[in-house]
Amino acid sequence: IAGITQAPTSQILAAGRRMTLRCTQDMRHNAMYWYRQDLGLGLRLIHYSNTAGTTGKGEVPDGYSVSRANTDDFPLTLASAVPSQTSVYFCASSFTGEAGQPQHFGDGTRLSIL
Amino acid sequence: GQNIDQPTEMTATEGAIVQINCTYQTSGFNGLFWYQQHAGEAPTFLSYNVLDGLEEKGRFSSFLSRSKGYSYLLLKELQMKDSASYLCAPMDSNYQLIWGAGTKLIIKP
Repeated sequence: IAGITQAPTSQILAAGRRMTLRCTQDMRHNAMYWYRQDLGLGLRLIHYSNTAGTTGKGEVPDGYSVSRANTDDFPLTLASAVPSQTSVYFCASSFTGEAGQPQHFGDGTRLSIL
Repeated sequence: GQNIDQPTEMTATEGAIVQINCTYQTSGFNGLFWYQQHAGEAPTFLSYNVLDGLEEKGRFSSFLSRSKGYSYLLLKELQMKDSASYLCAPMDSNYQLIWGAGTKLIIKP
């Protein structure tokens, strides 16, 4: 079944450690996104990519990096995790990054930084 | 600045109709999306409006007034499975979605 796969499902991480959240889609979507969702707040965009080889910063990019080496994969890296990065992380994709294209979401990664 | 305003929580009865309102202010506008999110799950796409008026899709309808910066999601014949959060997300001039905190809808028997 086509869709978006995120890994791991959940993780507890010590502060200061490096962590990469994985995201793979098999829908041949050009655009991909990383969001974080915190209680009482809307989804906040961390980074996005409109096509393979390009990336852009969203609303809350500090402390995170991404790469888009191919169409299918869009990993998110926390170089040195801090407790404020405790959140639920969603990866999403859309056919293009233009108007009218709905974003489809993975099941999320629940990350706790201690 | 960009801002989305939705009620935090609403309660409705099974079989009834409920309207969830959303007002927004964005830098430019490229349409508005509604998503449903069950607790502990990912958001799923419900509807998209780019022109003024009502879009109907089964039990769910969505309305947009661009001049008023206003949208609503109308849910008819409520079922227990409709208990979820409903997220309003207009798209700005950079084609980025601006997400509201969502409205938690509680359905009572």
